Amino acid sequence: EIVLTQSPATLSLSPGERATLSCRASQSVSSYLAWYQQKPGQAPRLLIYDASNRATGIPARFSGSGSGTDFTLTISSLEPEDFAVYYCHQRFNWPITFGQGTRLEIK
Amino acid sequence: QLQLQESGSGLVKPSQTLSLTCAVSGVSISSGDYSWSWIRQSPGKGLEWIAYMYHSGSTYYNPSLKSRVTISDDRSKNQFSLKLSSVTAADTAVYYCVRGTGDYFDYWGQGTLVTVSS
Repeated sequence: EIVLTQSPATLSLSPGERATLSCRASQSVSSYLAWYQQKPGQAPRLLIYDASNRATGIPARFSGSGSGTDFTLTISSLEPEDFAVYYCHQRFNWPITFGQGTRLEIK
Repeated sequence: QLQLQESGSGLVKPSQTLSLTCAVSGVSISSGDYSWSWIRQSPGKGLEWIAYMYHSGSTYYNPSLKSRVTISDDRSKNQFSLKLSSVTAADTAVYYCVRGTGDYFDYWGQGTLVTVSS
C-alpha cells in the first residue's frame, strides 16, 4: 500500500498570503496524484489532477507540482474561502489511498 | 446536471449489515468513461476508500475491508450500492458515493451519516 504523508498537519496563514502544502508518497506514483479541498459539512472537491492540472472551474491561484514521491499544492494568494482541509490522493497502485489531510486555518 | 444521491439506513446495529444505494442522474453508470466508488470519512477523520466499480463490472476493494464489502450496480435503475457486513462502531462514518473520471474522483454525493449503535 502506498502511504501518503501530508505536511504540515495544520497551516495558519492570513488572507493574501501564499500557502504551500506538501504530500510525500512512500513510493513513486509518477504523476498520478490529485488534490482535494474539503470545507466543513461538505464533500471533497477535486482541485488538481495528474499532479499539476487544474480541474474544471478551479481558480488559477491553485497550482500543483511534483512527480515521483514529492508533491506540492500552492495557493498563490489566499482568499477567505480557501481556508479548509486539503487531501492528496493516489490511484497509481491499488489500494487507492489518501493523505491524512492538511488543515489550512486563518491566522 | 450530474447528481449522486446516497440513501440507506442511518442507524445500524453492531454485527448487522450496512446497506447504501447511490442514485445517479445526469449520466449513465454504464458509460465507459467513468468508474463508481464508495468512500467514507469517520467523524473528525480523513478519507478512506472502500470500493470501486468500473463500467465493465470489474470491482476493487480496500484490502482492510474486502472480506466484508460488496459493491454492485443496478443499471436498470442507474444506481449502485454498497453492503458492509458485520459492522462495528468503527464503521460509523459519513459515506460518500463518488464518480471517477480517469484516475480521479470528480463528482461526490453529499454524503450520508451511518451510525453503528445498539
